Amino acid sequence: QKEVEQNSGPLSVPEGAIASLNCTYSDRGSQSFFWYRQYSGKSPELIMSIYSNGDKEDGRFTAQLNKASQYVSLLIRDSQPSDSATYLCAAEHYTGGFKTIFGAGTRLFVKA
Amino acid sequence: DAGVIQSPRHEVTEMGQEVTLRCKPISGHNSLFWYRQTMMRGLELLIYFNNNVPIDDSGMPEDRFSAKMPNASFSTLKIQPSEPRDSAVYFCASSTQGAGGDEQYFGPGTRLTVT
Repeated sequence: QKEVEQNSGPLSVPEGAIASLNCTYSDRGSQSFFWYRQYSGKSPELIMSIYSNGDKEDGRFTAQLNKASQYVSLLIRDSQPSDSATYLCAAEHYTGGFKTIFGAGTRLFVKA
Repeated sequence: DAGVIQSPRHEVTEMGQEVTLRCKPISGHNSLFWYRQTMMRGLELLIYFNNNVPIDDSGMPEDRFSAKMPNASFSTLKIQPSEPRDSAVYFCASSTQGAGGDEQYFGPGTRLTVT
């Protein structure tokens, strides 16, 4: 079992719709979770971090965490073509220092 | 403030040659990470440093790979000898580890091609 699992997609949504990206993790000790966006040919860019159960909103983005179910999600409201990218879910382990494990990413296409 | 700086941005070399990738983390960050990304394996952590000390190098594929961080503002990843299967994009990232978690900031990457 991979430590952080995501559906590779592609996930295709029409412009203006809500895009829902999901992620599960295997280490119950993980306390911090992150969503990174990666455009083709570019480096990953941090867009959201979440540490507590529940929802965290930042503009059009909402991250959701359920530690009991070991589940993290990212909702993108009013999706725009510029949101088309690969979204990487990441969970943090502590091994003498913080080590972040990344999922394989979900490719999102927003159709104009 | 400048972000994470990596050089070179592109490197093409022949099998058997030595390759050195360089990274300057964001000033004030105390942790530095080296990743490798390929289509097949995704983003893999190779090694990370905390306060210039290597903490976990379990992701380094084999003895051909080595990494150093002689000071807080510079790190190198060396591959000697290089092989075609080392072709990938290598990212360096830095962060301020602490109670706030580990929000990492990535450099632009070095695209390595070994022929």
